[in-house]
Amino acid sequence: GNSVTQMEGPVTLSEEAFLTINCTYTATGYPSLFWYVQYPGEGLQLLLKATKADDKGSNKGFEATYRKETTSFHLEKGSVQVSDSAVYFCALSEGYGGATNKLIFGTGTLLAVQP
Amino acid sequence: DTAVSQTPKYLVTQMGNDKSIKCEQNLGHDTMYWYKQDSKKFLKIMFSYNNKELIINETVPNRFSPKSPDKAHLNLHINSLELGDSAVYFCASSQVGKVMNTEAFFGQGTRLTVV
Repeated sequence: GNSVTQMEGPVTLSEEAFLTINCTYTATGYPSLFWYVQYPGEGLQLLLKATKADDKGSNKGFEATYRKETTSFHLEKGSVQVSDSAVYFCALSEGYGGATNKLIFGTGTLLAVQP
Repeated sequence: DTAVSQTPKYLVTQMGNDKSIKCEQNLGHDTMYWYKQDSKKFLKIMFSYNNKELIINETVPNRFSPKSPDKAHLNLHINSLELGDSAVYFCASSQVGKVMNTEAFFGQGTRLTVV
């Protein structure tokens, strides 16, 4: 079945450092790909998404490119801030004939940014 | 104005009790979900409803019974609670079409602790 694998955390960085969180997927067909973020004590928020190969999703300085050839969707940010500290989830969307979508999540990566 | 709201936010109860979690969305979406997040932050879908019809039941024990009185509400009732049910339960909604790129909006979560 479909699955998502992302790097284990925690990832600890200093402010203004470069961030990469790796995500690879296994899927039949061409799923949409997402990055969700969960700040402490809160629910999940969509950070960015990409719907087809070579699409680049971007938001709040974060970027990820849908790479079909490497089945990857790595999250990057050029300069992290303390406020970026959160758990980041990579996910793919599995459809059910237009009736519903099921999100399949990776295990989450905790990012801790130190001042 | 909260898009997806669930109550209660925290729930502490004894083993064997029956409890309910309520969820409401004001986004006009036709599809709602329940996801479970375990102690290691792993997220997995439990149920999905489309216009009050159950579409996904992801091998969840029969003690869990979702109910959707209308497409804006999806409640979760749990009978005979067990220690292993302790988790954070997230409600979500989306507007599903033929393209699998529809964002899911999540509630703040209900932290259930069974003692």
